[in-house]
Amino acid sequence: SAVISQKPSRDICQRGTSLTIQCQVDSQVTMMFWYRQQPGQSLTLIATANQGSEATYESGFVIDKFPISRPNLTFSTLTVSNMSPEDSSIYLCSVGGGARTGELFFGEGSRLTVL
Amino acid sequence: DQQVKQNSPSLSVQEGRISILNCDYTNSMFDYFLWYKKYPAEGPTFLISISSIKDKNEDGRFTVFLNKSAKHLSLHIVPSQPGDSAVYFCAAKRRTSYDKVIFGPGTSLSVIP
Repeated sequence: SAVISQKPSRDICQRGTSLTIQCQVDSQVTMMFWYRQQPGQSLTLIATANQGSEATYESGFVIDKFPISRPNLTFSTLTVSNMSPEDSSIYLCSVGGGARTGELFFGEGSRLTVL
Repeated sequence: DQQVKQNSPSLSVQEGRISILNCDYTNSMFDYFLWYKKYPAEGPTFLISISSIKDKNEDGRFTVFLNKSAKHLSLHIVPSQPGDSAVYFCAAKRRTSYDKVIFGPGTSLSVIP
């Protein structure tokens, strides 16, 4: 298992601003995953963050909107840029407990509200 | 196109009775299925999983059944307890390294004391 800490846990942001979410893991992991959960909807994978290389983005998500850093094997950041009310969501960091089985461990999430 | 579906957004069950949460999937390439539980203000936590080579997996009060021909799985909780009240997400993936996990929309379970 892994213990994952996210900051901030929640924030209220103004339209047009950007916010960076931090994710810290208590052990070294190869890949970290960023998910979004919009209100009343499922968890959608935004991107996979690899240490030492650029993040891999899923369809519908672009680096300019969601830049990701992965400076080492225990830390990653996700920035939500130029926010609009549609970006109001819970953003979740996760790591894989088993690459072949897909079991994921999640942080507690960062709830963003964009006014 | 939703590859993992949970058609019941909510479910209420009396304490001590069985809770049955259903999930359907469309992608026949999926060969590993998972259930996650999520409490408010917390991240999802892994609950139980099943490989496509099995049709049943049991862990204490939780049992997952898989019907490959129907592309359907279900999670049974017996007996249900008030602490089981949470949102349950069904998820699926192909069992290749690092292939992404696809989540269903979730079912909110309320266990009434």
